[in-house]
Amino acid sequence: QTVVTQEPSLTVSPGGTVTLTCASSTGAVTSGNYPNWIQQKPGQAPRTLIYFTNNKHSWTPARFSGSLLGGKAALTVSGVQPEDEAEYYCLLFHDGDGLRWLFGGGTKLTVL
Amino acid sequence: EVQLLESGGGLVQPGGSLRLSCEASGFTLSSYAMNWVRQAPGKGLEWVSGIRGGGGDAFYADSVKGRFTISTDNSNTLYLQMNSLRVEDTAVYYCVKGLQWGLLLGIDYWGQGSLVTVSS
Repeated sequence: QTVVTQEPSLTVSPGGTVTLTCASSTGAVTSGNYPNWIQQKPGQAPRTLIYFTNNKHSWTPARFSGSLLGGKAALTVSGVQPEDEAEYYCLLFHDGDGLRWLFGGGTKLTVL
Repeated sequence: EVQLLESGGGLVQPGGSLRLSCEASGFTLSSYAMNWVRQAPGKGLEWVSGIRGGGGDAFYADSVKGRFTISTDNSNTLYLQMNSLRVEDTAVYYCVKGLQWGLLLGIDYWGQGSLVTVSS
């Protein structure tokens, strides 16, 4: 059973920089896992910010960036804004025992 | 403008069946992979199922394999047939558009979700 792991919670000050990570129990996360990052605010539907490791959608603010870091997928928010307080989920593609997408458990980002 | 509108959710007893629909507009459904993602109350996101463009190969999470069926038709609508429902299937179900015909690369647009409650 593959498990995708994220930090349960992180706190950052307004204007600061924070990096969220996403690990896979099967080993290093690579571009072949096509990492996606999804933001969800309370009471709202999720919104995809990043696809295929580091590609932004047209609606993704420039302060969000994706990368691979030390065998994990990473989402960095530079110059954090109060409206960035939300739950962030990573999504990884796996083709081990059957093709599938797997979500991480989510990171609650608090801006304080 | 891409829009995804889910419908068909509601209250159903354990062991019962329900079919969710997702009406897509602003793009041609057959050209893209589509997915269903669910979120149990107060919990995280769970990928449920995906289908390649044109109603091609379908894939399922282990938790729903053999009970749920994903499909599309020519009316630009995505479906999720849910049979043998369990209490643990209670969740908001989101329709999610893929970035290309295959399942790879990732996802972009999400619907607003449809609540399914399984309870006696």
